[in-house]
Amino acid sequence: GDSVTQMEGPVTLSEEAFLTINCTYTATGYPSLFWYVQYPGEGLQLLLKATKADDKGSNKGFEATYRKETTSFHLEKGSVQVSDSAVYFCALNDYKLSFGAGTTVTVRA
Amino acid sequence: DAGVTQSPTHLIKTRGQQVTLRCSPKSGHDTVSWYQQALGQGPQFIFQYYEEEERQRGNFPDRFSGHQFPNYSSELNVNALLLGDSALYLCASSLGPPTDTLNTIYFGEGSWLTVV
Repeated sequence: GDSVTQMEGPVTLSEEAFLTINCTYTATGYPSLFWYVQYPGEGLQLLLKATKADDKGSNKGFEATYRKETTSFHLEKGSVQVSDSAVYFCALNDYKLSFGAGTTVTVRA
Repeated sequence: DAGVTQSPTHLIKTRGQQVTLRCSPKSGHDTVSWYQQALGQGPQFIFQYYEEEERQRGNFPDRFSGHQFPNYSSELNVNALLLGDSALYLCASSLGPPTDTLNTIYFGEGSWLTVV
């Protein structure tokens, strides 16, 4: 079935550093792709999404581009802040959400 | 506009007991799904309801059952609780049928279940 593989963490960065979290997927069709973020003790919040090939989702300085040729949806942010410390999940929608294992990101001041 | 709301937020049950978790979807949302998130893992799909019917089910035993009411709210029931059922249970809602994969899916804060 459809699945998502994302870069394992944890990832520790200094403030203003560049962040990349790799995500690749396996799907029979052309699913919508999502990044969700989970702050400590909270539920999931949608960070960004892309619904077709070459779409770029963006929000709060984060970006990800739907690459059909490489079946990837890597998350990037040019300058992270301490408040970006969280767990990030890549997911695809094939009539239900299938999630990666999550990547824990810690940003130090 | 209230988002997805879940109750209770935390509960502790004994092995072998039964539990019911409740979810009110975002206003107007008619598809409701449930996910189980074990500590340190990604959420796993349990099942999905639309028009008061179970439309899809993940790889969970029959001990997990659910219901959707005419107002779109939903319940998740787990019977004969096992220690391994300890997890965060997340409810998610979206507008329109599950086949519309362009829709955004919104999550609640979750119900933390501890089985002792």
